[in-house]
Amino acid sequence: DAKTTQPTSMDCAEGRAANLPCNHSTISGNEYVYWYRQIHSQGPQYIIHGLKNNETNEMASLIITEDRKSSTLILPHATLRDTAVYYCIGSAGGTSYGKLTFGQGTILTVHP
Amino acid sequence: DTGVSQDPRHKITKRGQNVTFRCDPISEHNRLYWYRQTLGQGPEFLTYFQNEAQLEKSRLLSDRFSAERPKGSFSTLEIQRTEQGDSAMYLCASSLNAGRAVYEQYFGPGTRLTVT
Repeated sequence: DAKTTQPTSMDCAEGRAANLPCNHSTISGNEYVYWYRQIHSQGPQYIIHGLKNNETNEMASLIITEDRKSSTLILPHATLRDTAVYYCIGSAGGTSYGKLTFGQGTILTVHP
Repeated sequence: DTGVSQDPRHKITKRGQNVTFRCDPISEHNRLYWYRQTLGQGPEFLTYFQNEAQLEKSRLLSDRFSAERPKGSFSTLEIQRTEQGDSAMYLCASSLNAGRAVYEQYFGPGTRLTVT
């Protein structure tokens, strides 16, 4: 699995967009970028994934650079309930069993 | 609630005792994973099942650990002769491999183990 690097912590004001960066310069061609988050005392929650193209779902948008060496998770209108640890993970999809290798993640604090 | 349940939610045991945790995945999911998470760290992969077959075990899974998924439905994780270093949150996740390229994993709430 690709090694990913994320900032240790970030702050965001409620109602504003939260932009969480991730570097994954060693990602290989068949590895997807996954984002999960973990709210305190709960299990991780899947947010979004992408391979090459930008992706959007009801929770967030994922912007992947053309060289695939970095990506940004965007929460368009952060709420207090978005306070969590956000994990960026590079993992092979397809026939892979999909083992997730979590790093330290980014602690996002949304404040009023 | 993701639909993945774990039991018990909390377990306190004395060093040297055996403990067993149970995970009930989402019913149609054929893949089941176990992870371990210590304080301040991200979850670490332990093992995974495709239906009833255990196909991968991490080096973290010492001989004292054993996992089963006897009928391809629920799974159990047993730790024998617990040590204080086993204190952690044990997370279960499941996913559906149905020919799609990407399989998001749904995690349970975890079992918090404290070894005294």
